[in-house]
Amino acid sequence: DGGITQSPKYLFRKEGQNVTLSCEQNLNHDAMYWYRQDPGQGLRLIYYSQIVNDFQKGDIAEGYSVSREKKESFPLTVTSAQKNPTAFYLCASSATQGTEAFFGQGTRLTVV
Amino acid sequence: GNSVTQMEGPVTLSEEAFLTINCTYTATGYPSLFWYVQYPGEGLQLLLKATKADDKGSNKGFEATYRKETTSFHLEKGSVQVSDSAVYFCALRNFGNEKLTFGTGTRLTIIP
Repeated sequence: DGGITQSPKYLFRKEGQNVTLSCEQNLNHDAMYWYRQDPGQGLRLIYYSQIVNDFQKGDIAEGYSVSREKKESFPLTVTSAQKNPTAFYLCASSATQGTEAFFGQGTRLTVV
Repeated sequence: GNSVTQMEGPVTLSEEAFLTINCTYTATGYPSLFWYVQYPGEGLQLLLKATKADDKGSNKGFEATYRKETTSFHLEKGSVQVSDSAVYFCALRNFGNEKLTFGTGTRLTIIP
């Protein structure tokens, strides 16, 4: 089945450590996105990529980094510079311009 | 810039009640409009969409009509069920702009 796979579903990190969230899609989509969701709030865009080896900052990119070495993969690294990293992270992808995005099941990151 | 304003929640209804969740938008041109649904602990699923004025999107008994004159895309369902309890997000995307713009979400709870 085609879709977007995020892993792991739950992730715990100690303060001061970097952590990488995985996102893989087999939908042959060009564009991929990372969103952050905090309890009771909407989605905020962290980074997005429209093509391999290219990506743009979203609204809250500080403390995060991404790479897009393959069309299928768009990993997100939460660095120690991110002041409040505990949140639910959602990855999405979409095909052509103006169409809907498809979402993964999310990764819940908790800093302990 | 683009923006989406949706009805503040939470909304609580009895089973079989009529549902309306309001959504209005600000955008240049003719954006595509979407409703997404998020069940607890999961990612977002596309519920319905409309890509041009006067289009009606529908799915699982939910409907929304793209009203250009009032810049609205209100979500409706004639008879809600307990299983409809979730958070609903209105979103838009302009052709030529890869970013989806989301509303803040409306939490819906249906009581038996």
